[in-house]
Amino acid sequence: QSVLTQPPSASGSPGQSVTISCTGTSSDVGDYNYVSWYQQHPGKAPKLMIYEVSKRPSGVPDRFSGSKSGNTASLTVSGLQAEDEADYYCSSYAGSNNLAVFGGGTKLTVL
Amino acid sequence: QLQLQESGPGLVKPSETLSLTCTVSGGSISTTLYYWGWIRQPPGKGLEWIGSMYYSGSTFFNPSLKSRVTISVDTSKNQFSLKLSSVTAADTAMFYCARLDSSGLHFDCWGQGTLVTVSS
Repeated sequence: QSVLTQPPSASGSPGQSVTISCTGTSSDVGDYNYVSWYQQHPGKAPKLMIYEVSKRPSGVPDRFSGSKSGNTASLTVSGLQAEDEADYYCSSYAGSNNLAVFGGGTKLTVL
Repeated sequence: QLQLQESGPGLVKPSETLSLTCTVSGGSISTTLYYWGWIRQPPGKGLEWIGSMYYSGSTFFNPSLKSRVTISVDTSKNQFSLKLSSVTAADTAMFYCARLDSSGLHFDCWGQGTLVTVSS
């Protein structure tokens, strides 16, 4: 059972926007601005898409954006493209004794 | 271009110790900017942070695995290693080594992963 809660699935048509939520507690997501999001295609290693809640690494399209309100972080993918179909995982810092907790993952399907 | 590569046995017997090594190329492991660590993913399931370490030797572990995990570093070889003791079938997973940014606390570079199966 994962520490952070994500919906198991999400979907949208090409060109549409979809938002994936990630709910934690006041001990992780709610207490730190160290939320990150990872994209994982089948058989591949995860790839960093968003860090520190809303920052994008170089090379990640600006169609990907992140935000946070209280104990819930969100990843929004705008202008959905076929290649966005993948599993997405959120992660948060949870204190000096627990550097990273993960969500259970959300399978994004592009219809 | 930084690259991480996991290596180690793909099959481990129950009750034995799983040992993996991550070789870092394209950059030095001896940096104050990053931690180095391990994440696992059981087949069909989500990610779980195992632990991370600083090049100086400071270590941080997932509280649920802490009693069974050792992470060490060999700066001369630019490698770091994982040992997970008393394994069971529940430890079967893809194991990834990854770099953790020490200021933003995100995993910005990952190895390709190595599958370890626990079975007799």
